[in-house]
Amino acid sequence: GAVVSQHPSRVICKSGTSVKIECRSLDFQATTMFWYRQFPKKSLMLMATSNEGSKATYEQGVEKDKFLINHASLTLSTLTVTSAHPEDSSFYICSANGRGFYEQYFGPGTRLTVT
Amino acid sequence: RKEVEQDPGPFNVPEGATVAFNCTYSNSASQSFFWYRQDCRKEPKLLMSVYSSGNEDGRFTAQLNRASQYISLLIRDSKLSDSATYLCVVNKNMRFGAGTRLTVKP
Repeated sequence: GAVVSQHPSRVICKSGTSVKIECRSLDFQATTMFWYRQFPKKSLMLMATSNEGSKATYEQGVEKDKFLINHASLTLSTLTVTSAHPEDSSFYICSANGRGFYEQYFGPGTRLTVT
Repeated sequence: RKEVEQDPGPFNVPEGATVAFNCTYSNSASQSFFWYRQDCRKEPKLLMSVYSSGNEDGRFTAQLNRASQYISLLIRDSKLSDSATYLCVVNKNMRFGAGTRLTVKP
């Protein structure tokens, strides 16, 4: 299957700081990338969908000014959590699909802890 | 009604058992359906796509019922390693079900 990487895998930051998470498709061009958040023992919640070169589409209830998404190329999308608070601590996972296939391939996730 | 609904379980079954999960969806225009498996504190991994005619991959069988708007996953001869949370996703809007937790016991 296709390979998606995420960096960093784990990050601890102080309240009020910003954190950037990168998501890369390594062996295919990702026409669409998705960002999810998952709290412990809860389901995956879609935060936003992004297409290369266009603005991300955010799900209802997700603040676009707090969760900045940039999909600058067909292989890279970034999620920046701005002014992080402890309640933003979660498991953030990206996924991508490409031309010719509809299934999503997931990155390994980023575990964010805000102290 | 939620867009994608699954029975959260947990399903606790003995090794060798057959177990089945269903996943209902609300958007009748949905075209693509998948089952994913997620292990604790890991990312979801694609288990199988669900085709209109049904499909089988070893011990796993997936089926689609468009009339009743649900997909199913059947696992035969359960192994301990099948213990995980099984997620369905309906591709129309990339919504995941909440997942069904399966524990296979010796």
